[in-house]
Amino acid sequence: GQNIDQPTEMTATEGAIVQINCTYQTSGFNGLFWYQQHAGEAPTFLSYNVLDGLEEKGRFSSFLSRSKGYSYLLLKELQMKDSASYLCAVRDREAAGNKLTFGGGTRVLVKP
Amino acid sequence: KAGVTQTPRYLIKTRGQQVTLSCSPISGHRSVSWYQQTPGQGLQFLFEYFSETQRNKGNFPGRFSGRQFSNSRSEMNVSTLELGDSALYLCASSLDRDAGGYGYTFGSGTRLTVV
Repeated sequence: GQNIDQPTEMTATEGAIVQINCTYQTSGFNGLFWYQQHAGEAPTFLSYNVLDGLEEKGRFSSFLSRSKGYSYLLLKELQMKDSASYLCAVRDREAAGNKLTFGGGTRVLVKP
Repeated sequence: KAGVTQTPRYLIKTRGQQVTLSCSPISGHRSVSWYQQTPGQGLQFLFEYFSETQRNKGNFPGRFSGRQFSNSRSEMNVSTLELGDSALYLCASSLDRDAGGYGYTFGSGTRLTVV
């Protein structure tokens, strides 16, 4: 089975940086995903890590350490529109295809 | 190109009834997955279909079932509805059997309320 933990809520100021941590325990790892979900909307794909290291995409970066079962999503130059829930999800190697296990999500509130 | 389309958007059903939800993936996508999202449990995997075959299944009772048609459209069915089935049901499609760097594309979901 899999277990994924991430903080429930974080608050940050517009223009600042926020780091959302995600720890996971899995019997077999085959990729970690980050999604953004605004209230009442569908989750949208942000990033994917399968090897250790940092992936950067504009204001968003995601880091993975497989040995530590740890990832983080870094949001830079925060904007009000970044207020949303951020979901960490892990794909199980033992399940062929796309069976993702999601964490409970981290609600980020950006204040002016 | 059109995104993932889920119908209906909202649904109210009575306990004991059954319901069918529909999902049309992005054109060319062959993998379709279903998730249930509730405030208490978050996003939970129901099942995945690829080329009309169920490839993965989550830990939900047999009242939850699904299928995929030759055009990759998928339906899920919940029989004998319970109050706890009230949730947002999300469908996600991916280009191929492995949603790697492209991730999933989610539909806007069907909000099911059981009364």
